[in-house]
Amino acid sequence: EIVLTQSPATLSLSPGERATLSCRARQSVSSSLAWYQQKPGQAPRLLIYDASNRATGIPARFSGSGSGTDFTLSISSLEPEDFAVYYCQQRGSWPWTFGQGTKVEIK
Amino acid sequence: EVQLVESGGGLVQPGGSLRLSCAASGFTLSSYTMTWVRQAPGKGLDWVSTIGPGGDTHYADPMKGRSTISRDISKTTLYLEMNSLRAEDTALYYCAKSVPGRAGFDQWGQGTLVTVSS
Repeated sequence: EIVLTQSPATLSLSPGERATLSCRARQSVSSSLAWYQQKPGQAPRLLIYDASNRATGIPARFSGSGSGTDFTLSISSLEPEDFAVYYCQQRGSWPWTFGQGTKVEIK
Repeated sequence: EVQLVESGGGLVQPGGSLRLSCAASGFTLSSYTMTWVRQAPGKGLDWVSTIGPGGDTHYADPMKGRSTISRDISKTTLYLEMNSLRAEDTALYYCAKSVPGRAGFDQWGQGTLVTVSS
């Protein structure tokens, strides 16, 4: 099983600041990685697919990068609605797995 | 408009069974990879099971031998049948549709809650 480790667990930032979230895989998943945002009481929302492609309707302030074992989700300038939990997920090999999540909270 | 609506959750005793349903609309169910994902209360997301367009199925280790994913094309419905349920299966169960051939679930239902308790 490919374990995905997200860091940090919690990121405390102010609106307008840049957020950088990390997801590391124990072994290579090539570019088969996605990022999701989840707000309380809501289903997850796809932000990035295949490591660096923004999903439909996702603002340009969200960007993904990386391949192999190291991946990054960046939010260039945090908006109030961006404070949420973010998960990475791999489909490089079975079983598919999720990271444990990074909470982006208001400082 | 693509829509996924789960149902079938509820309270079940340990050792019991449950069949979850996910009604799909706005797309051809059989043409997409479909997945069940669960989330225990206050916890993160866990992949449960996937069925591909060709009917191939995959299961997370905790669910192997205790669950079956299937789909009824005529009813445009995805199912997850779960047996020998345990307290640790308590979670909100989501169905999700994959971006074709890509890493990412682009559509999610609202979830159905399964509670395993005596």
